[in-house]
Formats: sequence, C-alpha cells, structure tokens
Amino acid sequence: ETGVTQSPTHLIKTRGQQVTLRCSSQSGHNTVSWYQQALGQGPQFIFQYYREEENGRGNFPPRFSGLQFPNYSSELNVNALELDDSALYLCASSLGGTDTQYFGPGTRLTVL
Amino acid sequence: GIQVEQSPPDLILQEGANSTLRCNFSDSVNNLQWFHQNPWGQLINLFYIPSGTKQNGRLSATTVATERYSLLYISSSQTTDSGVYFCAGWLSGGYNKLIFGAGTRLAVHP
Repeated sequence: ETGVTQSPTHLIKTRGQQVTLRCSSQSGHNTVSWYQQALGQGPQFIFQYYREEENGRGNFPPRFSGLQFPNYSSELNVNALELDDSALYLCASSLGGTDTQYFGPGTRLTVL
Repeated sequence: GIQVEQSPPDLILQEGANSTLRCNFSDSVNNLQWFHQNPWGQLINLFYIPSGTKQNGRLSATTVATERYSLLYISSSQTTDSGVYFCAGWLSGGYNKLIFGAGTRLAVHP
C-alpha cells in the first residue's frame, strides 16, 4: 500500500450534477496530483497542487477545479457533470513536483 | 506528436517466460517512471528511472535518455504480473504535467 487514500471508492451521479472527490496524501508529501483514466486508456493529468497552490494543469475545462488544504490533503471538484466524465479518478502524492508519484486506489465515477 | 509511446500494446505469456516492454519518449519529456496497474485499478510505481539501469527482484529497467527510450524487463513471469504496464514522463519547461503512454496489457497464463 502507498499510504494515499481516496474517498469515496465508487460514485454514481447524473448529468449536470456536481461532485467532490477527496484524497489524503502520504505522510510527509506536500504535493498532490489528480488524474482521469477513461476505460482502456492511460491516465490523463488534470492538475497538481503544491503547498495549497495549483502548480500545473492539463487540458481540462474550468469546471474541473481543486483545492489543497494545510495538511496537504486535496479535493477535486467537477461541476456540470457530463457523460464523458465517467472514469476512474486517481490522485497521487509526492515529495516534490516531479518526483516519484504514489497513487491512491482511485474513485470510480459513473455519470448517467 | 506522440510524446510517450509504448509497445507492444498487448502481450500474452506463459508463466516462466521473459519479456521486454518498450517506451519511446520525445525530447520534451523527462524523468521517466514505470507503473503497474493491477486488475483492480491500483497503480504501483515500479521504477523512477531518468537514466541508467535499476533492478528490483524479477523486474529491471533501463533508460537511455540520449536515445529517448526505456525498457522494462520481466523475467520468469508469474500470473500476478498480469495487468497493464505504463510508462510516464514529466513534460519539461517548468510546467508540471505527467504524460502517460497508452500502456502494455500483459496477460500471463499458467
């Protein structure tokens, strides 16, 4: 186990709703990155937070937003859910921005 | 262009066989990493290997950064090695973004 936890494990929402996913980083890690993995594809980088500031962002619309707390845990918020948002959402923590990534078990989101 | 490219896309092995997975990466990608994703979706980091060779048990990896490729070797494969193997690298230029390849899907049969 990596020490990175995510909640919830599964979630079902309907189109247009909003969702919040949570991630607790491994002890001592100050950086959290979020990824979206559609079925049969590799993970796609959403964004990274370092010491509560966004430190990098992939090609995702503004309705994907995040937050990092003083204890380095993090949230991913997605507004106005679309069917294509159905995916496995992974978070990873690290000691620094480009260091080894340690992944959580993921949250599987289904949008109906 | 494609920044991280993996081959082969699929691989089927008999238990005990050896295999080599390849990852080609573009000039804009650095600090390569290899991951294994098990059937339950958990991504496990295998190697952080910007250059050189590392070994961990039956697995080893080599990155030749000057030629922009990395290889993952699996020896004496076991059924528990099944899953998807990803390589990923960080986009250079001071912008933190980890780029994944499409993965190699490995099935090891007893």
